[in-house]
Amino acid sequence: AQSVTQPDIHITVSEGASLELRCNYSYGATPYLFWYVQSPGQGLQLLLKYFSGDTLVQGIKGFEAEFKRSQSSFNLRKPSVHWSDAAEYFCAVAPQGGSEKLVFGKGTKLTVNP
Amino acid sequence: NAGVTQTPKFRILKIGQSMTLQCAQDMNHNYMYWYRQDPGMGLKLIYYSVGAGITDKGEVPNGYNVSRSTTEDFPLRLELAAPSQTSVYFCASSPDRGYSPLHFGNGTRLTVT
Repeated sequence: AQSVTQPDIHITVSEGASLELRCNYSYGATPYLFWYVQSPGQGLQLLLKYFSGDTLVQGIKGFEAEFKRSQSSFNLRKPSVHWSDAAEYFCAVAPQGGSEKLVFGKGTKLTVNP
Repeated sequence: NAGVTQTPKFRILKIGQSMTLQCAQDMNHNYMYWYRQDPGMGLKLIYYSVGAGITDKGEVPNGYNVSRSTTEDFPLRLELAAPSQTSVYFCASSPDRGYSPLHFGNGTRLTVT
């Protein structure tokens, strides 16, 4: 069965610092890969997605993620964090053509210090 | 566009009571989903629907029921509430089975005491 691991439960960074959130998945073929963000009291919003092609994908709010097949990873990055980026981030994996099988990681909560 | 609308936002139930969580979308999406989110556990799929009249179980369906009589609405029914159903419930929709992202509502926080 496919699985998603986000090793960091909670990360704290200073405003302006760079950020990398880790995501590893276990799946036989290359799945569809997503990063979602959840602000307090809100639903999840898509940051970016990867299906095929260029392994570096750009998303909204200045985020990017890199797919590394050899490491089964899809890490999320941002060069300079803003206070408004404080939220919880979820990596998710689905087999191609199977959104009902979408599996979410347990999330990484990001705190941004001024 | 309202997107995905969930009601109510908060609810407290007593053990054994029943309730329906409402979900409506105005994007004409065929696919709709119900998830529950528990602290530190990510999201778990309860039920999903691929179109009006068609529903199927997800990973954690026990204690819940759904129906899909229209494209727009996908209510989730709790028949006999239990403390284990204390959670935040999210409804989501998508136009297809994988390429497009899910559009989420803002959730319903349910407490069963």
